[in-house]
Formats: sequence, structure tokens, C-alpha cells
Amino acid sequence: SAVISQKPSRDICQRGTSLTIQCQVDSQVTMMFWYRQQPGQSLTLIATANQGSEATYESGFVIDKFPISRPNLTFSTLTVSNMSPEDSSIYLCSVWASEGSEAFFGQGTRLTVV
Amino acid sequence: GQNIDQPTEMTATEGAIVQINCTYQTSGFNGLFWYQQHAGEAPTFLSYNVLDGLEEKGRFSSFLSRSKGYSYLLLKELQMKDSASYLCAVRGGNYQLIWGAGTKLIIKP
Repeated sequence: SAVISQKPSRDICQRGTSLTIQCQVDSQVTMMFWYRQQPGQSLTLIATANQGSEATYESGFVIDKFPISRPNLTFSTLTVSNMSPEDSSIYLCSVWASEGSEAFFGQGTRLTVV
Repeated sequence: GQNIDQPTEMTATEGAIVQINCTYQTSGFNGLFWYQQHAGEAPTFLSYNVLDGLEEKGRFSSFLSRSKGYSYLLLKELQMKDSASYLCAVRGGNYQLIWGAGTKLIIKP
């Protein structure tokens, strides 16, 4: 299993500012995934963070808006830049169990942009 | 395209049984997952099916038919705490998870 510590758990931010979300995993993992979940909707993959290389972004998400760092195999950050109210959402990081039979999630960051 | 369909909302009675269906069309298949998500919380893992058939885990069971692109989650002896959203997700050919929109399950006394 994997335990993921994600912070902050929630924040209220002013539009135009940026917020950095951190995820710390208790074991080394090759890939970490960042999701967004807008109110009442399912999870949408933002990007896959690989150690030592640039993150791979999904359609509709760009590095300038959602820069990601992955300095080592246990840690990653996602920054939500130049925020607008449309960025209000829950952001989740996730990793696979080593055998691939379960995806583990951080506790989530509930972001409100005012 | 890739698509996962599940009902938006279901209602059931405490102590009863409910079946939540999920149909999928994906490019490749490497397993189907069910997750439970309470409002404001992260999803928690319920089950994983990669071969056809039924997987039972306590009050929860999950079934998969790969030829039909179909799965269901069966919840028995429903409790009020089972009120939550249930998410169906398929791991596609590129090993990324494709998520359904979730089924909101409402349990009534």
C-alpha cells in the first residue's frame, strides 16, 4: 500500500494569485498523477508527473497554468497559476500500488477562488 | 472515443440490496475499478476486476464481463453510511484511468 500526505487540505485564494499543492508519498513511485474534480463531476486527469523529466499534460491543460515539479520519487507539487473562480475545484494526487491493482489518493485539496 | 456510463443517481432503502451498473468503451483494457467517494473526501478503493466474473469482498461484490464491456457493483445489507458516490474507472491501454461520472447513492431509512 501507499500513504500519501497532501497539503493544504483546503484554501481560499484571491483571483490572480497562485497556489502550490504538495504530495508526499511514503514509498518510491515512478509516476504520480494529478487530478481535478469540479463540483458534482468525476475526476479529470491534469497530468502525469515523472521524476527527472517534464510532466505529461492531458488535452486542455498546459504547463504555464499548472506547472508541476517532481524532484524525487516520493514528492511532487502542482501549482495552480493566475487563478480564476473557474479553478475552484478539488485537486487530488494519486499513485499506483506497486502491483497495479489499486490507485491510492491523497486527501485532496479543496480550492475556492474568490 | 472512450466512454464510461453509469447512472447519475440511485435511491435504496437501508438493509436492502442495490446494483450499480457501469458500461464502458475504451481503447484497450487493463482492469476495472470501483471507488467510493463521500462528499468532500478523496475516493477510496472498493474493488478491482481484470478477469470475467464476480469478486466478493464482504458486503460489496463486483462483476465484470469484458466481452460486453459491462460491470456492476453490488452492495448488500445497505447502511446509512453507504450514502456516497460510486465511481467506475477503467484502466485503458496506456495504463491511465478513465473515470465515469459517478453514481450518487442515496440511502433512505
